[in-house]
Amino acid sequence: GAVVSQHPSWVICKSGTSVKIECRSLDFQATTMFWYRQFPKQSLMLMATSNEGSKATYEQGVEKDKFLINHASLTLSTLTVTSAHPEDSSFYICSARDRWDEKLFFGSGTQLSVL
Amino acid sequence: GENVEQHPSTLSVQEGDSAVIKCTYSDSASNYFPWYKQELGKRPQLIIDIRSNVGEKKDQRIAVTLNKTAKHFSLHITETQPEDSAVYFCAARQFSGGYNKLIFGAGTRLAVHP
Repeated sequence: GAVVSQHPSWVICKSGTSVKIECRSLDFQATTMFWYRQFPKQSLMLMATSNEGSKATYEQGVEKDKFLINHASLTLSTLTVTSAHPEDSSFYICSARDRWDEKLFFGSGTQLSVL
Repeated sequence: GENVEQHPSTLSVQEGDSAVIKCTYSDSASNYFPWYKQELGKRPQLIIDIRSNVGEKKDQRIAVTLNKTAKHFSLHITETQPEDSAVYFCAARQFSGGYNKLIFGAGTRLAVHP
């Protein structure tokens, strides 16, 4: 299957700092990438849809100024958690869809801990 | 919008038995239904998917059935093995605002006991 790379795997930061997470499709072009948040033992909650060359579409209740998404190329999307606070601590996971296929492939996720 | 419900939340079976996980969806326009397996600390992996023009699809020990009229679909795992133990998520594709996205069920934690 297609490979989606996500970095970093773990981030520990102080409250008030910003954290950037990268999501790359390694062997395919992804016009659309998705960012999810997953709490322990819970499902994948869609945060936003990232589209190459245009603004991201955020789900209801997700602060766009808090979670900045940039999809500058067909293989890279970034999520920046701005002014992170302890309640932002979570597992963030990206996914990407091949522009020629409907299957969705996931990155390995990023565990964010805000102290 | 789309709403996906998944049952049961936990499932415990003996090795060799079958396991069935069921999902229902609300948006009749949804036409693609994948299933993902997530092992502890790992990424979700696509294990099988089905489109709305098909009623059943099988891949070795795994099968998925779809009932469009009732808006429900199920995952069937036969001859379960300990390595099948994981959390399984169903999903339905929703079209919204010109984009399509996957809406996930709450997940089923499957435990296969030797």
